[in-house]
Amino acid sequence: QSVLTQPPSASGTPGQRVTISCSGSGSNIGSYNVYWYQQLPGTAPKLLIYRNNQRPSGVPDRFSGSKSGTSASLAISGLRSEDEADYYCASWDGSLSGRVFGGGTKLTVL
Amino acid sequence: EVQLLESGGGLVQPGGSLRLSCAASGFTFSSYAMNWVRQAPRKGLQWISSIDGSGTGTYYADSVKGRFTISRANSKNTLYLQMDSLRVEDTAMYYCAKGESVDSGDIDYWGQGTLVTVSS
Repeated sequence: QSVLTQPPSASGTPGQRVTISCSGSGSNIGSYNVYWYQQLPGTAPKLLIYRNNQRPSGVPDRFSGSKSGTSASLAISGLRSEDEADYYCASWDGSLSGRVFGGGTKLTVL
Repeated sequence: EVQLLESGGGLVQPGGSLRLSCAASGFTFSSYAMNWVRQAPRKGLQWISSIDGSGTGTYYADSVKGRFTISRANSKNTLYLQMDSLRVEDTAMYYCAKGESVDSGDIDYWGQGTLVTVSS
């Protein structure tokens, strides 16, 4: 069972907007930055959002992140077939003195 | 361009040992914390260990504490993970991952991974 809670699956049709939630606690999301990673099938994870809402260069502005209290969200607008992947949130946990990940959300583009 | 190349994975019997390496390039290695993260087959990501840029600060997940040791050779731009007393449940793809700064292990780049299989 993961420290950060994500829905196991999400779906949308091309062009739609989907959001993926990540719920934590005061010892992780409530106190530290949230990061989002995209893992395409058969590949290594890739950084999508850092420090809650910042996009690395090369990541389309269709992807956006937000954080409020002990929860965070990843939004994907203008959904495309190539967005079909697993998405993970991550943060540091001060109580565990360790990095924690969400269980991952499998996004399906219908 | 940041590149992280893991090696050292393979098949090992329960109770055995394995040493993973991660050769880094494209950045000033000693200026960044580094991590090991694993992913069991068809499962999610699990953080294993972090080390700061100087190598003096190390952190471990409870599941590997006392069995795994993270280290680095800044002169060789290489990160290591010594894995002892391996268990079947340690079977996973092991990723080397670069931290954002010298003391922050928040991950911004990932290697391609090396597969470790623990089985008799």
